[in-house]
Amino acid sequence: GQQVMQIPQYQHVQEGEDFTTYCNSSTTLSNIQWYKQRPGGHPVFLIQLVKSGEVKKQKRLTFQFGEAKKNSSLHITATQTTDVGTYFCAGSNSGYALNFGKGTSLLVTP
Amino acid sequence: DTGVSQDPRHKITKRGQNVTFRCDPISEHNRLYWYRQTLGQGPEFLTYFQNEAQLEKSRLLSDRFSAERPKGSFSTLEIQRTEQGDSAMYLCASSFGTGDGTNEKLFFGSGTQLSVL
Repeated sequence: GQQVMQIPQYQHVQEGEDFTTYCNSSTTLSNIQWYKQRPGGHPVFLIQLVKSGEVKKQKRLTFQFGEAKKNSSLHITATQTTDVGTYFCAGSNSGYALNFGKGTSLLVTP
Repeated sequence: DTGVSQDPRHKITKRGQNVTFRCDPISEHNRLYWYRQTLGQGPEFLTYFQNEAQLEKSRLLSDRFSAERPKGSFSTLEIQRTEQGDSAMYLCASSFGTGDGTNEKLFFGSGTQLSVL
């Protein structure tokens, strides 16, 4: 079945440094979504990418969808302590199930 | 509060007992999902409803698990004869589907944390 893999599993940065997490699928995705889960919280939707090569920005966050629609990345510029949490990508190639990666846990120290 | 509600927030049970969780989605959402999440892992898809119809089930959903959404509104997830391996956070999510083939963003509830002793 479809697998969505994320790297790295953990990332520890100093406040102000940049952060990137990568997501790779074993199959072509129809779309990909990104979620953020704060410690003790539930996943919260960040963005959805649908088109091949699509790039979207939300303030300091930049999301990319690969040309082959099998990979994606999330880049945070100048991290802040409020960025702490686990970032998940989730994709689907058919059906209704969104398959989540294991996530990248970001720790930001001031 | 107009978000997704789940009840109870925590459930502690003994191995072999049955448990039932409830999810109340956002009222205008026609799609409802159950996921399971363990520590350090991403949410794992369990099952999906469109209105009252259960359209997709994961192979993770053994015959001890059953889910219903009788009137297309709230949903229940029952686990029979619980095992220690069932200990996890059970997350419900809802969305509004337009049927154009793309996934819609999911709104998650706070989850039910199940501990099987």
